[in-house]
Amino acid sequence: QVRLQESGPGLVKPSGTLSLTCAVSGGSISSNNWWSWVRQPPGKGLEWIGEIYHSGSTNYNPSLKSRVTISVDKSRNQFSLNLSSVTAADTAVYYCAKVDTTMDLFDYWGQGTLVTVSS
Amino acid sequence: AIQMTQSPSSLSASVGDRVTITCRASQGIRNDLGWYQQKPGKAPKLLIYAASSLQSGVPSRFSGSRSGTDFTLTISSLQPEDFATYYCLQDYNYPRTFGQGTKVEIK
Repeated sequence: QVRLQESGPGLVKPSGTLSLTCAVSGGSISSNNWWSWVRQPPGKGLEWIGEIYHSGSTNYNPSLKSRVTISVDKSRNQFSLNLSSVTAADTAVYYCAKVDTTMDLFDYWGQGTLVTVSS
Repeated sequence: AIQMTQSPSSLSASVGDRVTITCRASQGIRNDLGWYQQKPGKAPKLLIYAASSLQSGVPSRFSGSRSGTDFTLTISSLQPEDFATYYCLQDYNYPRTFGQGTKVEIK
């Protein structure tokens, strides 16, 4: 069973860069799957941020594309999210998730990590 | 981007009730839609994929259907553990977009 675990700072200063890592266990990040980031502001709905394939191919949400970089580290079986020039509007629970190849939907999720943007 | 308009935003229901939640896509998305359940403090859980296919391990009281660009999640007999927020997600094209969510509360 695949397990995902987010890690990173819980507090980021405005105009700074939010950096998170998702460690994958119970499966290989080099499998035929896309790996994704989704966020959820407190009390609000879900927003897809972007995703990456082990080859390094990416897809990003146009609403965030200018500020987002998703990368993969196959040697550590993990992938990462960088979001630059953050504001209070980027305060959210950030989830990493695996995209099932057949269903093309998120079937495994991390537990989520709250990132607060504040000085 | 495809907009997913979900309704209602919230509803109150009793145990045993039949509950229906709808998502309307702003354009045709074939059957490329899933339904998720989210409980407070937890990650979403996949219930339905391809509009009407039940994910493994999900109780059969959950079902999904499609009529054109309208998609419906039905809970045939609401159970105490079903009180949660439900989201649709289109995977027809990028960016992937979610509905706004429907919170199912106890009446």
